[in-house]
Amino acid sequence: DTGVSQNPRHKITKRGQNVTFRCDPISEHNRLYWYRQTLGQGPEFLTYFQNEAQLEKSRLLSDRFSAERPKGSFSTLEIQRTEQGDSAMYLCASSMGQGNTGELFFGEGSRLTVL
Amino acid sequence: QKEVEQDPGPLSVPEGAIVSLNCTYSNSAFQYFMWYRQYSRKGPELLMYTYSSGNKEDGRFTAQVDKSSKYISLFIRDSQPSDSATYLCAMRGYGNKLVFGAGTILRVKS
Repeated sequence: DTGVSQNPRHKITKRGQNVTFRCDPISEHNRLYWYRQTLGQGPEFLTYFQNEAQLEKSRLLSDRFSAERPKGSFSTLEIQRTEQGDSAMYLCASSMGQGNTGELFFGEGSRLTVL
Repeated sequence: QKEVEQDPGPLSVPEGAIVSLNCTYSNSAFQYFMWYRQYSRKGPELLMYTYSSGNKEDGRFTAQVDKSSKYISLFIRDSQPSDSATYLCAMRGYGNKLVFGAGTILRVKS
């Protein structure tokens, strides 16, 4: 068990470009979450998957953001037409489904810088 | 008003001190309460988890939840320089969305 893995760790892009982040959760975890964290703030919920189904999306997730979890394993978060306000750390977390006590295990994050 | 309020600090203490970190919240539906520790440029790691009101102790760490006051605390005894980090409180109801505080920066001076 290598924990939650996120790639790339850091992405620098120009405004208007598309970026994609990947998350590989802990293998036996069926729940996967994306959060966004800006400097000096706690993580903010973006979206949540149980297996391959996207069950909840935050209003923070504009139509430029899309997340997928094909086959209920890894997940991708794509941001289209990036804006400077998208600069943040994008955190992925996973948890067990049944008997879930709320223990989310986070990855190291993918830091996005939009120039 | 945010659902979860947390003093951002920074809180600076000498090595060996007892540290008290706190959060208040407004949503009475919150039932599960957590404390995460986050080192610079790393993801948060779970420190303590508590369900409903009460105390929980794990080594040098004690978590307290007072639902009647909508107030949670984390105490760190015999603080060490390696405890220097940002401490995030987090909570949720019976759903799956964790709501985090802004985090308190703790600096333990040797």
